[in-house]
Amino acid sequence: EAGVAQSPRYKIIEKRQSVAFWCNPISGHATLYWYQQILGQGPKLLIQFQNNGVVDDSQLPKDRFSAERLKGVDSTLKIQPAKLEDSAVYLCASSPTGTDSYEQYFGPGTRLTVT
Amino acid sequence: AQSVTQPDIHITVSEGASLELRCNYSYGATPYLFWYVQSPGQGLQLLLKYFSGDTLVQGIKGFEAEFKRSQSSFNLRKPSVHWSDAAEYFCAVGAWAAGNKLTFGGGTRVLVKP
Repeated sequence: EAGVAQSPRYKIIEKRQSVAFWCNPISGHATLYWYQQILGQGPKLLIQFQNNGVVDDSQLPKDRFSAERLKGVDSTLKIQPAKLEDSAVYLCASSPTGTDSYEQYFGPGTRLTVT
Repeated sequence: AQSVTQPDIHITVSEGASLELRCNYSYGATPYLFWYVQSPGQGLQLLLKYFSGDTLVQGIKGFEAEFKRSQSSFNLRKPSVHWSDAAEYFCAVGAWAAGNKLTFGGGTRVLVKP
């Protein structure tokens, strides 16, 4: 079974520019998560989708970050405009429904550097 | 609110020696607990999980962890470390009541000396 795919793997932008990340979850997984991992810290949940609806976006900085999950499959996370403190690895994860819904499968991440 | 503490930021261990990584959590209800490993430039790989039942759980790569409710701990152990175990390890807590949202600790970086 294919894992969670993310692209790009690396991105370098200047502050105030915009950037978008893409995630393709494991086929059939209804729940999708975006995490931000700042260097030296554990991942922090930004947003959680159930199919194409938002379950939790309480820690998403909505003045600059946005996310969508079209048709309940792929998802994009956008930052506009970027700040220096947005430099981090952005991880996407997905989980199935049912009794295994607690187990999240992570993609390789996108490393963003804002200069 | 859920919280996870990993008291050790760095641990250095000799190859072949035993390893123990500490994890303490705070949550009002019974959580489920995970240990993930992250190698440089890689995503998170699940080592093991505790959901219910036997408090000593076995994982991949020879790792095990013990859930101690009285101490709110879920420490990770390996009896004999290999050089390939050098990585960063994250403890995480989740709960049905929190919509399966995971809260991660700050991580412990493990260095293995030859």
